[in-house]
Amino acid sequence: KAGVTQTPRYLIKTRGQQVTLSCSPISGHRSVSWYQQTPGQGLQFLFEYFSETQRNKGNFPGRFSGRQFSNSRSEMNVSTLELGDSALYLCASSLWQGIEAFFGQGTRLTVV
Amino acid sequence: KQEVTQIPAALSVPEGENLVLNCSFTDSAIYNLQWFRQDPGKGLTSLLLIQSSQREQTSGRLNASLDKSSGRSTLYIAASQPGDSATYLCAVDGESGGSNYKLTFGKGTLLTVNP
Repeated sequence: KAGVTQTPRYLIKTRGQQVTLSCSPISGHRSVSWYQQTPGQGLQFLFEYFSETQRNKGNFPGRFSGRQFSNSRSEMNVSTLELGDSALYLCASSLWQGIEAFFGQGTRLTVV
Repeated sequence: KQEVTQIPAALSVPEGENLVLNCSFTDSAIYNLQWFRQDPGKGLTSLLLIQSSQREQTSGRLNASLDKSSGRSTLYIAASQPGDSATYLCAVDGESGGSNYKLTFGKGTLLTVNP
């Protein structure tokens, strides 16, 4: 059974650019969540989607957005990148929220 | 606002020792609690999930307990091995008895098991 797949694994972007990260959940899982991990702040919640609906959003600026498609795959977009957006972005999936969450390997974003 | 604290921040033990990692949370009305491990530069691996109605869960050498009333959970690792070296993270879902569709994480405990 395939796990949560995140692409790409590594990205280097220039300040001011935008970036799109992709997450394919475990087959049958309908809840997808995104988290940002930095050495200083640890793991912080970005947003959660279930059946294409955003049910919760963390305390991040509007430059961070996401969406979920009908096949449960999800993307997150960061516009006007800042140096402080450099982080490991992790995606998690579960059958539905409140049940065991499984994480992908993450996308390491470096903004220069 | 839910806050999760993990103590200690780092722990170094000799191989074979039994150890306990601690997690505390400020709002006791959680929906569930999950323990993860993270190897350097990698994603999170789920270890144990404890629903709010449960007191403990066991998997192999791992045992996690939950005391909602005091806002505490412990992860017990028996007969530690060098391969257990990783960062261990505690995360809770919910703050008023129901799921709020997100996990709130502690900062983790960095465990080093020395051969």
